[in-house]
Amino acid sequence: GENVEQHPSTLSVQEGDSAVIKCTYSDSASNYFPWYKQELGKGPQLIIDIRSNVGEKKDQRIAVTLNKTAKHFSLHITETQPEDSAVYFCAASYSGNTPLVFGKGTRLSVIA
Amino acid sequence: EAQVTQNPRYLITVTGKKLTVTCSQNMNHEYMSWYRQDPGLGLRQIYYSMNVEVTDKGDVPEGYKVSRKEKRNFPLILESPSPNQTSLYFCASSLGTGGYEKLFFGSGTQLSVL
Repeated sequence: GENVEQHPSTLSVQEGDSAVIKCTYSDSASNYFPWYKQELGKGPQLIIDIRSNVGEKKDQRIAVTLNKTAKHFSLHITETQPEDSAVYFCAASYSGNTPLVFGKGTRLSVIA
Repeated sequence: EAQVTQNPRYLITVTGKKLTVTCSQNMNHEYMSWYRQDPGLGLRQIYYSMNVEVTDKGDVPEGYKVSRKEKRNFPLILESPSPNQTSLYFCASSLGTGGYEKLFFGSGTQLSVL
C-alpha cells in the first residue's frame, strides 16, 4: 500500500522568511495530493491540493509542487506570518479507489 | 454554516465501559470517515462510509464499530474501550466525488481510557 513520508517533523522560521515542507510517496498510481493545516485545538483544514496532471499550483502565499518522476511533492509558504504556525500534513491517494494516506506531520513555528 | 460536529469534545472513561462518539455533518456529503491522531503517528483512518448503509474498514479498525443509518450521522462506537484507544479522534466528510477529496474535519474528541 501507499506510504507517505514527511520532512521535517519540526520547522522554525523567522517571520517573513519562506518555509518548505517535503513529502515522498511510494505508490506511483497515486494522483491526488492535498495539504492540511491543523491549528491548536482544531481539526485539520484543507489549504491546497494538486493532481498529478499538474506540476505546480499556487494560492496567494502558498504553493505546492509535484515531481511525479521522483514521487515527491512540497509545500511552499512565502512571507510567513505568526498565524502560519500550525501542524501541516501532506497526504496522497489514488482518487476514488484508495483512502488518503497521511504523512506524520510538520510542526511549523513562525517566530516574530 | 457548513460544519462537521463531533460530541463530546472531551471524554474520560474506564476500561470496558461502552461509549459512543457522535458525528454529524450538514453539507449533504456522501462520504464520511473516522480518524485517530496519535503523537508521531499522524492521522490514521479507522472506518469510512461511502454512502448510507455502506461502511468499510480503514487502517486501524480493531476495537471500533460504526454505523451509517442516515446520511448526516456517522457515530463511532467503542464496545469495550481499552487504554490503547486513548487518542484524539476526528470525524471527516466530503462531497464524495473523489471519495477522499476535500475533507472537512470536525474539531476532535479527546478520549482517555483509564
